[in-house]
Amino acid sequence: DGGITQSPKYLFRKEGQNVTLSCEQNLNHDAMYWYRQDPGQGLRLIYYSQIVNDFQKGDIAEGYSVSREKKESFPLTVTSAQKNPTAFYLCASSIRQLSNQPQHFGDGTRLSIL
Amino acid sequence: RKEVEQDPGPFNVPEGATVAFNCTYSNSASQSFFWYRQDCRKEPKLLMSVYSSGNEDGRFTAQLNRASQYISLLIRDSKLSDSATYLCVVNNVRGGSQGNLIFGKGTKLSVKP
Repeated sequence: DGGITQSPKYLFRKEGQNVTLSCEQNLNHDAMYWYRQDPGQGLRLIYYSQIVNDFQKGDIAEGYSVSREKKESFPLTVTSAQKNPTAFYLCASSIRQLSNQPQHFGDGTRLSIL
Repeated sequence: RKEVEQDPGPFNVPEGATVAFNCTYSNSASQSFFWYRQDCRKEPKLLMSVYSSGNEDGRFTAQLNRASQYISLLIRDSKLSDSATYLCVVNNVRGGSQGNLIFGKGTKLSVKP
């Protein structure tokens, strides 16, 4: 089945630790995105990538890093600099980074602090 | 004014009712509009795109009013399975992340038997 796979589903981070969230898609989409959702809040854009080896900061990039070495993969690292990492993290992709293209989401990773 | 604004609800309606949600957006240059549905603790899923002329998909009708800068979603003959949070989504036309989407906080719908 074509889709977006995020792993793990649940993740716990110790203080001072970096953790990496995986996102893989087999939809042959060029553009990929990372969002964070806090309870009762809308999605906020962390990073996005229009093409392999290129990515841009979104609205709340501080404390996060990404890479885009392969078209299929867009991992997100939550670094120790992110002081409030507890949230629901959603990865999405779209055919291209065009405003008229809807985005399709993976089923998310819930990150909590130990 | 917030970029995308929705009434958070909850809208509590009986099965079979018709319910409508509105969403306002601040940037008159926005061109693309979507409704997503998000179930509790799940990812958002695209419900429908919103076209200038309005569009319908079964029990769901979406409308765009550019003059007043709002979009609407009408659900007819509500089902229990329609219970979810409905997200209004508008494209970003400002700043470095142009082409990306702005998500509203959502309107919660609860359909009761």
